[in-house]
Amino acid sequence: QVQLVESGGGVVQPGTSLRLSCVASGFTFVNYGMHWVRQAPDKGLEWVAVTSWDGSNSYYADSVRGRFAISRDNSKNTLYLQMNSLRPGDTAVYYCSNFENWGQGTLVTVSS
Amino acid sequence: DVVMTQSPLSLPVTLGQPASISCRSSQSLLSSDGNTYLDWFQQRPGQSPRRLIHKVSSRDSGVPDRFSGSGSGTDFTLKISRVEAEDVGVYYCLQGTHWPPYTFGQGTKLEIK
Repeated sequence: QVQLVESGGGVVQPGTSLRLSCVASGFTFVNYGMHWVRQAPDKGLEWVAVTSWDGSNSYYADSVRGRFAISRDNSKNTLYLQMNSLRPGDTAVYYCSNFENWGQGTLVTVSS
Repeated sequence: DVVMTQSPLSLPVTLGQPASISCRSSQSLLSSDGNTYLDWFQQRPGQSPRRLIHKVSSRDSGVPDRFSGSGSGTDFTLKISRVEAEDVGVYYCLQGTHWPPYTFGQGTKLEIK
């Protein structure tokens, strides 16, 4: 069955960095553009970033552009999100998804 | 950026009764390729989102046929023909025509009356 398993979340201080990973299985990973979507506590869904099937093109929400970097390793069926200069407003559950399938999410808390 | 506006934001429904959620976009979602990239997602309490409908009206695999999507241009609707207890949660629309960014609606919380 299809699985997307995120990891790498945690509690960090403002200004620091974190890298999220998402391992995909059960579908042909290379066939899909992949997204990160986040959800702040008790808030709605916010699209964060997308990367093309081969990682050659990536796009970002204004709120994270210049601080976050999405990437993928198709040999490992893995999607990444490098998050730098983290802010309290980045506190959220981060989901990886191709919109058809979603992971369980990983919680990132940015707090001093 | 395309703004997606859902209504209502709260939807109390009696079991077995129909429900309808509206999603309006700030510009037409008809793509130059002829498709309209409007999806609907369900998020049950404590769970990840799940896609119900893609490209306005195509039901995803395993989605009960009591869920249907319709609309065109800037006006879209998700209908549940007979609400069941398992339908409780928040419903979101998403546009994927004019990206980046992809934009979600604010969410509609469906509860049982």
